[in-house]
Amino acid sequence: NAGVTQTPKFQVLKTGQSMTLQCAQDMNHNSMYWYRQDPGMGLRLIYYSASEGTTDKGEVPNGYNVSRLNKREFSLRLESAAPSQTSVYFCASKRKGQNYEQYFGPGTRLTVT
Amino acid sequence: DQQVKQNSPSLSVQEGRISILNCDYTNSMFDYFLWYKKYPAEGPTFLISISSIKDKNEDGRFTVFLNKSAKHLSLHIVPSQPGDSAVYFCAAIVSGGGADGLTFGKGTHLIIQP
Repeated sequence: NAGVTQTPKFQVLKTGQSMTLQCAQDMNHNSMYWYRQDPGMGLRLIYYSASEGTTDKGEVPNGYNVSRLNKREFSLRLESAAPSQTSVYFCASKRKGQNYEQYFGPGTRLTVT
Repeated sequence: DQQVKQNSPSLSVQEGRISILNCDYTNSMFDYFLWYKKYPAEGPTFLISISSIKDKNEDGRFTVFLNKSAKHLSLHIVPSQPGDSAVYFCAAIVSGGGADGLTFGKGTHLIIQP
């Protein structure tokens, strides 16, 4: 049981390049989330998916798109990377119901030059 | 506007003593609170939570206290151990069975001194 996995662990992009961050969970959770964490800041919600086939914007969605490919996988895409998107990205998942505990992946450290 | 505030960026405590981490919130709709622990280069891991219908929740060395009237919660760790050195995040959510994300504070870096 790997929990929440994220690929890649590190990535360097040039301004304007695109990339997709991958996330998968093997806990049969319904809800999945993407957060970003900047230095000295807490985690901020980018997008979330309450269930397979649905996605919703969080606090900081601009510049990102997401795809809930199936129940296990939730990807985050940067179409045209900007230096302001340099951050550590965390994926999380949560099971259905009134348990609000989210399980986090190890993160992807992205640098945009 | 920060809805969850952790006003101490860092805290140093001697091993064996009590660590007290504080968190304030401004959104009165929040009714469920969580604490996460984070080591460098790892994702946050869940530590303990509390619903607004309670004022205390205990799990081993960790206790969370909630003061709704003051919109304040605290995490007590006793006794503090070297492995407790990490960044601790307070998080909150408006419950209801939905899938909304958590609102996090900026974190407090706890350093346990030998």
